[in-house]
Amino acid sequence: EDQVTQSPEALRLQEGESSSLNCSYTVSGLRGLFWYRQDPGKGPEFLFTLYSAGEEKEKERLKATLTKKESFLHITAPKPEDSATYLCAVVTAQGAQKLVFGQGTRLTINP
Amino acid sequence: DTEVTQTPKHLVMGMTNKKSLKCEQHMGHRAMYWYKQKAKKPPELMFVYSYEKLSINESVPSRFSPECPNSSLLNLHLHALQPEDSALYLCASSHLTTNTEAFFGQGTRLTVV
Repeated sequence: EDQVTQSPEALRLQEGESSSLNCSYTVSGLRGLFWYRQDPGKGPEFLFTLYSAGEEKEKERLKATLTKKESFLHITAPKPEDSATYLCAVVTAQGAQKLVFGQGTRLTINP
Repeated sequence: DTEVTQTPKHLVMGMTNKKSLKCEQHMGHRAMYWYKQKAKKPPELMFVYSYEKLSINESVPSRFSPECPNSSLLNLHLHALQPEDSALYLCASSHLTTNTEAFFGQGTRLTVV
């Protein structure tokens, strides 16, 4: 069974304190890995798509990387407005059009 | 433009009511989705439409009835819901290739009383 595990469940950082969120996956035939940001009561906001090991994507203070078993979302010098839940999801060869989500990491950035 | 619009934003309904949730996108996406999300949990897939045809039903109870009138619109008809159906209902759309990102609407917060 396809499985996506995110860690930690929750992370509290001081403003400017860089860190990384982890998304490990056990799937049969990865077709794509996606990172989303979700604010409370809102829909997930698309951040990045990664397709193959070694790929990296960047946007402002966020950088996503992918290996054969996991993905990292690196947050550099975060600001309070980066506080949100970050969701990782995969699409597999078997589960066409079906996003399999991890449980998410709740990130809080204190000023 | 990567906007998916959902209406209403909030809905309170009784267990005997019939209501509908609406979703619209103008990105030319031919895959549209309904997800259900409970507090502090990830979204759970309910239905997938491909080219306006239902392609995936994740064993959702029949009190939820999806409809895709055209390539831009997606509805979710609700009837005889239970309090445990209270949740954030999310619509999403994507291109039809299996490895492209899905864009989500802001959701409808549904409360069943």
